[in-house]
Amino acid sequence: GESVGLHLPTLSVQEGDNSIINCAYSNSASDYFIWYKQESGKGPQFIIDIRSNMDKRQGQRVTVLLNKTVKHLSLQIAATQPGDSAVYFCAENRGAGTASKLTFGTGTRLQVTL
Amino acid sequence: ETGVTQTPRHLVMGMTNKKSLKCEQHLGHNAMYWYKQSAKKPLELMFVYNFKEQTENNSVPSRFSPECPNSSHLFLHLHTLQPEDSALYLCASSLGQIDSPLHFGNGTRLTVT
Repeated sequence: GESVGLHLPTLSVQEGDNSIINCAYSNSASDYFIWYKQESGKGPQFIIDIRSNMDKRQGQRVTVLLNKTVKHLSLQIAATQPGDSAVYFCAENRGAGTASKLTFGTGTRLQVTL
Repeated sequence: ETGVTQTPRHLVMGMTNKKSLKCEQHLGHNAMYWYKQSAKKPLELMFVYNFKEQTENNSVPSRFSPECPNSSHLFLHLHTLQPEDSALYLCASSLGQIDSPLHFGNGTRLTVT
């Protein structure tokens, strides 16, 4: 069926290294994608988004790559810091109409080691 | 702060109780959402309101009843819940456009005993 999923449940990265979190989606009609970060005891926090007419978008220390050919989304975090430790979710918008209807993946836990 | 405030942060209720969750957004958004987050499950969309009108009910049991009196406030009324309804309930808001990101509150941790 249609789904958004993450390849790895836990990713351990050394402080200062780059992190790459991957996400696969199956609905080729999805046209908007978002990455969220969720820390313990908090709600998901918006990191970066990308529309389907783009293949790369950069933010502060983060880059999102979209490969529509293989339906793959990735989040790259440069110079990973301890404060980056959290669960990261990708989400796709398959909604029609006027409001976003995001479908979320299961999440990847990023652990930053010193 | 996220701009989306949820109260209470924690709630414990028995199966025969009636309680309500409250959400308020200070972002000037037009759409509001309820999501359910259970352990080891993806976030599940429950309800969507756009300009106070309910536009989505994702097959949610009737023991969950949403209310959206205006674009800034959203409630989730709970009655005769089951233990499996224990979860983190997240409220979110957005501009209401199909490509606008959702901004989440910190959730209400609900435990049904």
